[in-house]
Amino acid sequence: AQKITQTQPGMFVQEKEAVTLDCTYDTSDPSYGLFWYKQPSSGEMIFLIYQGSYDQQNATEGRYSLNFQKARKSANLVISASQLGDSAMYFCAMREGEDQGAQKLVFGQGTRLTINP
Amino acid sequence: GAVVSQHPSRVICKSGTSVKIECRSLDFQATTMFWYRQFPKQSLMLMATSNEGSKATYEQGVEKDKFLINHASLTLSTLTVTSAHPEDSSFYICSATLRRGPTDTQYFGPGTRLTVL
Repeated sequence: AQKITQTQPGMFVQEKEAVTLDCTYDTSDPSYGLFWYKQPSSGEMIFLIYQGSYDQQNATEGRYSLNFQKARKSANLVISASQLGDSAMYFCAMREGEDQGAQKLVFGQGTRLTINP
Repeated sequence: GAVVSQHPSRVICKSGTSVKIECRSLDFQATTMFWYRQFPKQSLMLMATSNEGSKATYEQGVEKDKFLINHASLTLSTLTVTSAHPEDSSFYICSATLRRGPTDTQYFGPGTRLTVL
């Protein structure tokens, strides 16, 4: 079974609108972490935001926020006031287990976001 | 902070030659680095976990004699693709882990595009 599912292969949004990128995950581990990365056409993976499974509040980083719904096992990324530079591939990723030292991530298939002027 | 570099960014080689890719954490020390492979329009596939001073841990299906990993210092890991063949052509990207805030976060290099003729 897929551990990370991103159901939107592509999304098209008008500039300045808010956009939500979906991510659902599957784990039986009570301790886990969820990450979002942005990959522009240049190829570099840029860390955007992190949410821990025990965090009580949704994570926010500037225009990025994470809509964490634990019971539904979803961790959607919300980008407010989208900009042309937000056009990129977006990956959701999960780390399972206790956060003791570096652990590997499992990535979703990604969503290609295109911002139209 | 948390800058990771990779060199070279692009390499074209003949079949049968070996290619070395360097991954450096420029402004932090990373006990653990990861190596990924990414095919066009696909997600990242973890190849191996590289720990400073010890042998790398390879994912299932990844040939350790084909993809040699050396983590000689806290800021440098190298991936050598030995006797490269056209099917090894891909985008290779590394990450280095840094604890910033509540968790270890992987910060990625810009990637290396390998083309084997």
